[in-house]
Amino acid sequence: GDSVTQMEGPVTLSEEAFLTINCTYTATGYPSLFWYVQYPGEGLQLLLKATKADDKGSNKGFEATYRKETTSFHLEKGSVQVSDSAVYFCALSAGDYKLSFGAGTTVTVRA
Amino acid sequence: DVKVTQSSRYLVKRTGEKVFLECVQDMDHENMFWYRQDPGLGLRLIYFSYDVKMKEKGDIPEGYSVSREKKERFSLILESASTNQTSMYLCASRSGPRVVEQFFGPGTRLTVL
Repeated sequence: GDSVTQMEGPVTLSEEAFLTINCTYTATGYPSLFWYVQYPGEGLQLLLKATKADDKGSNKGFEATYRKETTSFHLEKGSVQVSDSAVYFCALSAGDYKLSFGAGTTVTVRA
Repeated sequence: DVKVTQSSRYLVKRTGEKVFLECVQDMDHENMFWYRQDPGLGLRLIYFSYDVKMKEKGDIPEGYSVSREKKERFSLILESASTNQTSMYLCASRSGPRVVEQFFGPGTRLTVL
C-alpha cells in the first residue's frame, strides 16, 4: 500500500540555521505530495504541495521538489526562525480521497 | 477562509463512557474525515464521509462509529471508551472528491481514565 517515511526527530536548531527534513514515499501510480505543519496547540495547515514529477512547492521560505526517480520530497528552509518551531508532516495522496501521512518530525528552533 | 471547528479542545472521560466528538465546517464541503494522531504514528484515518448520511471506514475504525446527519457536521462516537483511545483527534474537510487539499480543525485531546 501507499506509505510515507520521514526522518525521525526531534530536530533542534539555532535561529538562521539550514533545515532539511527527509521524506520518501511508496505509491502506485502518480501521487500528489504535501507538507503539512502543525504549530503548538493548533491543527494541521497545508504548507506546500506538488502534484507531478519535478514540481517544486514553496511557501514561507520552505521548498520541496517532487523527485520521482528517488521517490522523495524533502523539505528545506535556508534560514529558520523561532516561529518555525512546529511538527512537520509529509503526506501523499494517490487515490480519490485518502491522505497517507508520515510519522511527523518535531522541529525546535532556539534563539 | 475555511473554518473547521471541534467542540472541545480537551476532554477527560472514564473507561466505558460513551463519548461524542463534534466537528463543524462552514464552507459547504462534501467530504469530511476523522483522524487520530499519536506520537511516532502520524495521522491515521478512522472514518470518512463523502456526503450526508454516507460513511466509509478508514484504516482504524474498530471501537468507533460516526454520524453525518447534516452536511456541515460530522460526529465521531466512541461507544465504550477505553484507555487505548486516549489520543489527539483531528477532523478535516475538503470541498469534493477531485480536490486533494484537506482543511483541519484544531483537534480534541481526549484522555480516557
